[in-house]
Amino acid sequence: AQSVSQHNHHVILSEAASLELGCNYSYGGTVNLFWYVQYPGQHLQLLLKYFSGDPLVKGIKGFEAEFIKSKFSFNLRKPSVQWSDTAEYFCAVNAPSGGYQKVTFGTGTKLQVIP
Amino acid sequence: SAVISQKPSRDICQRGTSLTIQCQVDSQVTMMFWYRQQPGQSLTLIATANQGSEATYESGFVIDKFPISRPNLTFSTLTVSNMSPEDSSIYLCSVGEGANSPLHFGNGTRLTVT
Repeated sequence: AQSVSQHNHHVILSEAASLELGCNYSYGGTVNLFWYVQYPGQHLQLLLKYFSGDPLVKGIKGFEAEFIKSKFSFNLRKPSVQWSDTAEYFCAVNAPSGGYQKVTFGTGTKLQVIP
Repeated sequence: SAVISQKPSRDICQRGTSLTIQCQVDSQVTMMFWYRQQPGQSLTLIATANQGSEATYESGFVIDKFPISRPNLTFSTLTVSNMSPEDSSIYLCSVGEGANSPLHFGNGTRLTVT
């Protein structure tokens, strides 16, 4: 069964600081990887996704993530955070074999950006 | 992406009662899912709502407790039956277009059971 680990539960950064949120997954086959974001009072939104190809994927609002297959990792990065990035971030994995779309989520990381 | 509307957005219910949550999508979608997000925890898949057939439940979730309907490609309901305080959670409807597509989520239903 697939699983996802997010190591940081709560991160506090000052504006302009760099961000890296860790995500590791457990699954031996081909995977699709996602980062979702949930801003306060809003629904979950897709931040970026990796299906295949270039392991460095760019998402909305200046976020990017790098898929490192050998490390089973998909860490999220942003060079300079803004107060508006305050949100909860979820890493997720889906093993697409057989066409079944079961997405497993990590426990989430709450990011607080201080002005 | 699909626009997903969930009703109610929140409710406070008494122990032993049932609540039906509705999920309406503005376009036909192949796959609809119901997730639960308990306080301080991640999203857990309850079941996949299959159009025209019974839902597929994940381990730990049963049809008697969480009956699901999906009468067409744009609508589904999840019922939380015989509720207890442990059922207090956010229930989320999500949709997808196959294994190689991301999920999209509704705003969720915040349920409190007293």
